[in-house]
Amino acid sequence: GQNIDQPTEMTATEGAIVQINCTYQTSGFNGLFWYQQHAGEAPTFLSYNVLDGLEEKGRFSSFLSRSKGYSYLLLKELQMKDSASYLCAALDSNYQLIWGAGTKLIIKP
Amino acid sequence: GAVVSQHPSRVICKSGTSVKIECRSLDFQATTMFWYRQFPKQSLMLMATSNEGSKATYEQGVEKDKFLINHASLTLSTLTVTSAHPEDSSFYICSARLDREPYEQYFGPGTRLTVT
Repeated sequence: GQNIDQPTEMTATEGAIVQINCTYQTSGFNGLFWYQQHAGEAPTFLSYNVLDGLEEKGRFSSFLSRSKGYSYLLLKELQMKDSASYLCAALDSNYQLIWGAGTKLIIKP
Repeated sequence: GAVVSQHPSRVICKSGTSVKIECRSLDFQATTMFWYRQFPKQSLMLMATSNEGSKATYEQGVEKDKFLINHASLTLSTLTVTSAHPEDSSFYICSARLDREPYEQYFGPGTRLTVT
């Protein structure tokens, strides 16, 4: 079956760095997405990886290892506004998104 | 770019009535749109895939006669919740998928439905 695993909840301190991990098992693979979702709002697109390696975009970076079925989202210089859920989603061979349950990130002052 | 609108943002209706939710891609065409439901503190649950000009594909357990989907154009999909009941109260979110790789989905702001 198809499956995405990510931690349910993480806590970090303002100004610090946090890494949110995601492992996936899908029928075929056409890339991995990270979305951010604030409470009561719809998800917003953060990043896309299809090749192995690190993609950096400002304070946020995303890494992919296709051979390990593994990705992580790295958030640097954490701000209070980064408190949100972070959703990992893999694109399968039919270009359907398989969603993880999301990681709730709590930022403390 | 890649803006998706959703209307209404909030709706309260009485049990037994029907509610229509519109999802529009404002600056791009989307052959495929998706409808999700999200209960408090839970993850997104895909309800159905909406394809322009053809019938929607529903996920297992989602009643197609209760959740009517119409994708009449490349920029508009509608979800009608028929004979709504309190258990249908939820946050409904649509997304529109770009018609080119990597086919990322852009989400509408969501519709909070409350059935009394």
